[in-house]
Amino acid sequence: NAGVTQTPKFQVLKTGQSMTLQCAQDMNHNSMYWYRQDPGMGLRLIYYSASEGTTDKGEVPNGYNVSRLNKREFSLRLESAAPSQTSVYFCASSPSRDRVDYGYTFGSGTRLTVV
Amino acid sequence: GQQLNQSPQSMFIQEGEDVSMNCTSSSIFNTWLWYKQDPGEGPVLLIALYKAGELTSNGRLTAQFGITRKDSFLNISASIPSDVGIYFCAGPAIKAAGNKLTFGGGTRVLVKP
Repeated sequence: NAGVTQTPKFQVLKTGQSMTLQCAQDMNHNSMYWYRQDPGMGLRLIYYSASEGTTDKGEVPNGYNVSRLNKREFSLRLESAAPSQTSVYFCASSPSRDRVDYGYTFGSGTRLTVV
Repeated sequence: GQQLNQSPQSMFIQEGEDVSMNCTSSSIFNTWLWYKQDPGEGPVLLIALYKAGELTSNGRLTAQFGITRKDSFLNISASIPSDVGIYFCAGPAIKAAGNKLTFGGGTRVLVKP
């Protein structure tokens, strides 16, 4: 099925470990986004990529880095995981930065626990 | 920055009843989007609204674009257990901040025990 695919679905890390969350979309969308969802906090934007080759910080970028590998793939890296980064991470995409009024398509999420 | 406030934060539903929730902003929005997030899944777009006063339905769900452009409402008629989840409103942020969606904090819908 067409859509946004995130891997892994679940991950447990020890404090200080690093990992990369993968995201790929097959809808030929130009813009991609990474959000985190915490209880009572709604969806908070970490980083986004308006188009291939560009990335920008969102609301909560500290402790994260991103790579727009190509048009399809947008990865999120935690260099040194901290317990405060325990969260559910969602990747999303939209046709273009000028058509966000059509909404985003979300992946099913990565549930990350840092112990 | 722009904020979207959703009310109520949570609600309990009983099968068969109608429920309502709303989303308000201090700024004008030209588009309102409503998403539903099932437990363990990502949000899915339910309804999109593009004109003030617009009323749009998707099955038992009906959403309205407030005439002030600062609010939107979502109604669920004849609730069923699968209506459980989190409902988010969203809209495009102002152009000066980049074309990104702003999300409300969500209304969590639960089933009455």
